[in-house]
Amino acid sequence: DIVMTQSPLSLPVTPGEPASISCTSSQSLLHSIGYNSLNWYLQKPGQSPQLLVSLGSNRASGVPDRFSGSGSGTDFTLTISRVEAEDVGVYYCMQALQTPLTFGQGTRLEIK
Amino acid sequence: QVQLQESGPGLVKPSETLSLNCTVSGGSISGFVWSWIRLPPGKGLEWIGFISYRGITNYSPSLRSRLTFSVDTSKNQFSLNLRSVTVADTAVYYCAREYTSSRRMDVWGKGTTVIVSS
Repeated sequence: DIVMTQSPLSLPVTPGEPASISCTSSQSLLHSIGYNSLNWYLQKPGQSPQLLVSLGSNRASGVPDRFSGSGSGTDFTLTISRVEAEDVGVYYCMQALQTPLTFGQGTRLEIK
Repeated sequence: QVQLQESGPGLVKPSETLSLNCTVSGGSISGFVWSWIRLPPGKGLEWIGFISYRGITNYSPSLRSRLTFSVDTSKNQFSLNLRSVTVADTAVYYCAREYTSSRRMDVWGKGTTVIVSS
């Protein structure tokens, strides 16, 4: 199985400040036809997970442009340019290269 | 707008079978893959597996021996059966729509809590 490792696991952020979450995979997620099989999800308190980014850097429909995904191979980053109060929750990266699909441990973002 | 709704018993006894349904509304079940994911208390998300609208399945190796998925296109519904449950199967269970090309899960149900206890 591909192991996904996120850091930090807890992320206190002041509103208006940037934030970034790192995700590392135990093997390359770069598909043979050139895209990265890495998706990001956010689970807000009391809600089901929602898709933020697919294929490493494609923002999902309706996701604010302050969210961006980057990286390739084994190292990926989710960046929030200016954190807002509504961004609190647990962020997960998930590899989609092969089954079993596997998630990172989750990063809990909280507002200072 | 496609919506998913999980349904099933909130409480299951150890060694019994957990049965969950996921009903798709606002769109067709055809053309997509349908996934199950769970969130155990105090832990992170765990992929359980998926079933295509044609009935092709892919199960998590850790659950494969106890797991069966099915799909009923006439009801726009798919189902999960997990046999011989233990307390370790206590979790919030989610169903989700998945695109095969990117494996992105873009629509999720609200989730249903399942507690395994005698």
